[in-house]
Amino acid sequence: GQVVQSGAEVKKPGASVKVSCKASGYSFSSYGMSWVRQAPGQGLEWMGWISGLNGKTQYAQKYQGRVTMTTDTSTNIAYMELRSLTSDDTAVYFCARRSALGLDVWGQGTTVIVSS
Amino acid sequence: EIVLTQSPGTLSLSPGERATLSCGASQSVGGNFLAWLQHKPGQAPSLLIHSASKRATDVPDRFSASGSGTNFTLTITRLEPEDFAVYYCQQYSSLHYTFGQGTKVEIK
Repeated sequence: GQVVQSGAEVKKPGASVKVSCKASGYSFSSYGMSWVRQAPGQGLEWMGWISGLNGKTQYAQKYQGRVTMTTDTSTNIAYMELRSLTSDDTAVYFCARRSALGLDVWGQGTTVIVSS
Repeated sequence: EIVLTQSPGTLSLSPGERATLSCGASQSVGGNFLAWLQHKPGQAPSLLIHSASKRATDVPDRFSASGSGTNFTLTITRLEPEDFAVYYCQQYSSLHYTFGQGTKVEIK
């Protein structure tokens, strides 16, 4: 299986960004999708995940109220929307398939730059 | 939340040398659902080890891992040039996953 993410985004402070992640080569509903980000010079940070089966979500407390993860099972696409962006949200955002092995298939990453 | 602490922060070694990376958890990682990932600049992270000690598909056998509960180790027996990267441990035993802060393995 593989997952392919949408392209880079440049946003102004206060705006929202929605990143997509298209899955192929596996049964989308059999796995979840996690979202992970890496700010410049920093490590990997888990943001949350969504079930491909029923759309249930778990968000890291840090992002509660500011992030929404959704799926479109007709197109096998997962989405992550982050609102009220600040410069601290400048990062590379990854989606990764959630399986019994952990995070076993990763997207290529989407760079999001927040700048006025 | 399970906090993972990796040591050392940076490991400076030469090709052919052995690398030993550690990961400590603030509480027991249930089911030993502990993974190790390799991350190279400009690339997506890749899964090396799952379930604390099981190599992922196509991972060379110079990578091995062990541990249980709160202490885990990743060993690279003979470093190849392509192994110089950042390594993260990551737990997936709780609903909220967490990563360690990473160990950078750099060329000495």
